[in-house]
Amino acid sequence: EVQLLESGGGLVQPGGSLRLSCAASGFTFSNYAMNWVRQAPGKGLEWVSGISGGSGSSGRTDYADSVKGRFTISRDNSKNTMYLQTNSLRAEDTAIYYCAKERSVDTAMVSGTDAFDIWGQGTTVAVSS
Amino acid sequence: QLVLTQSPSASASLGASVKLTCTLSSGHSSYAIAWHQQQPEKGPRYLMRLNSDGSHSKGDGIPDRFSGSSSGAERYLTISSLQSEDEADYYCQTWGTGIHVAFGGGTKLTVL
Repeated sequence: EVQLLESGGGLVQPGGSLRLSCAASGFTFSNYAMNWVRQAPGKGLEWVSGISGGSGSSGRTDYADSVKGRFTISRDNSKNTMYLQTNSLRAEDTAIYYCAKERSVDTAMVSGTDAFDIWGQGTTVAVSS
Repeated sequence: QLVLTQSPSASASLGASVKLTCTLSSGHSSYAIAWHQQQPEKGPRYLMRLNSDGSHSKGDGIPDRFSGSSSGAERYLTISSLQSEDEADYYCQTWGTGIHVAFGGGTKLTVL
C-alpha cells in the first residue's frame, strides 16, 4: 500500500524550530518529486515547498515566498524519508503540514510538474508563546 | 501570476448531481489541474487530474460518480448521485514550468 506518514509537529515558541519528517512506503521513493503543503486553522491549502526526485539524496528545491530563507526541504532516499526544517517560526506558520507525492516519475529533475496523488495524514505545528 | 478561483460554497440534495468550477486566470487556459477532496477532519484525497481537453485520470478507488470536464479556462468536477460522504471541501491544484504550485481557495459542498 502506498503511504506517507508525517511526524515531528508540536508546540513551539515564536522564533523556534521544528524538523518535520515524511516517511514513505509502497513506491520507489527516489523516483518521485515530493512536496509539503500546509493548512492553517479554518483556511485552505497552501503549497510550502517541493523537492525533485533522483537517485542522489540531494534534489532541486523550491519554496513559497512566505517561507523562503526560513524553511529547508531535503530528502534521504536511503531512508525513504523527506524532511522540512522549519526555523524562525512565526504565529502565521501555525498549521497542519501535509506531505504529498507527485503523480509522475520525475524525469525532469524538478518538482511541481504534476498533480499530487498521494497525501499523508498531516502533522500539526502550533507556534505560540 | 497564476490564480485559481473557486466559489466558496455549493449545495445539492442527496441523490442529485452538482458541478463545481475552478477557473484559471487569464493567459493560463491551457493548464491542467487536479481535483482533491477533503472530508471533515481528514487529509486531502486526490480525485483526478484534468487536462484542458477534458481528458482526466482518476485516482485509485475513485467512484465513477466523480467526473471532470473542461471548457476554456474553466475546469469542472461533476459529482452525480450525491451521497452524504461527499459533503467535503473540494480544492483544485495546478502547476507548471516557471510557476509555483497553486491551489484554489476551495469549495465547501453541503449535501442537503
